[in-house]
Amino acid sequence: ELKVEQNPLFLSMQEGKNYTIYCNYSTTSDRLYWYRQDPGKSLESLFVLLSNGAVKQEGRLMASLDTKARLSTLHITAAVHDLSATYFCAEKYNNNDMRFGAGTRLTVKP
Amino acid sequence: DVKVTQSSRYLVKRTGEKVFLECVQDMDHENMFWYRQDPGLGLRLIYFSYDVKMKEKGDIPEGYSVSREKKERFSLILESASTNQTSMYLCASSSLSGAGANEKLFFGSGTQLSVL
Repeated sequence: ELKVEQNPLFLSMQEGKNYTIYCNYSTTSDRLYWYRQDPGKSLESLFVLLSNGAVKQEGRLMASLDTKARLSTLHITAAVHDLSATYFCAEKYNNNDMRFGAGTRLTVKP
Repeated sequence: DVKVTQSSRYLVKRTGEKVFLECVQDMDHENMFWYRQDPGLGLRLIYFSYDVKMKEKGDIPEGYSVSREKKERFSLILESASTNQTSMYLCASSSLSGAGANEKLFFGSGTQLSVL
């Protein structure tokens, strides 16, 4: 069964702290995607990871991919309130469609 | 600015009604998708289409059908709406030829459907 599992599902952090969101997936896909969803809004692409060992960084977010472990991580450095959102990982299935995890709802508190 | 537009932001229907959700994209994308989003379950793929008049079932197609008569438009149809179809519906599109950083979905703003 195809599965994309994220943990934690809920994360409450204080500003300035670091934390990591984990995404395990079930296929041998070498592609993994991260999306962000703000409350009441739709999803926006954050990162596209295309190979084993890929690392992408933007601002306080860094994503990495380990295809052998079927694991991707999204690391948050020195969190700020603006990062509060729900983060989804997704793997590519077949050539055209994606399967998503349940999402991690991140709340950053002052 | 590229766009995926869903016709309704909120929709309230009664059990048994036929419901049409419309999605239009202006990026000339070949692929279009319908997902539903439920708390704790993430996004689940209902149907997708990789070309006009072509469609493929996703993970949860039961109770739904789709139509793609034109490249830019992908419709989701609930033949006889039921209360368990109350959900947020998200349309997305992507380029078939997209590679590398372009391998991503562009989402519409969603339609919150309530079936009473």
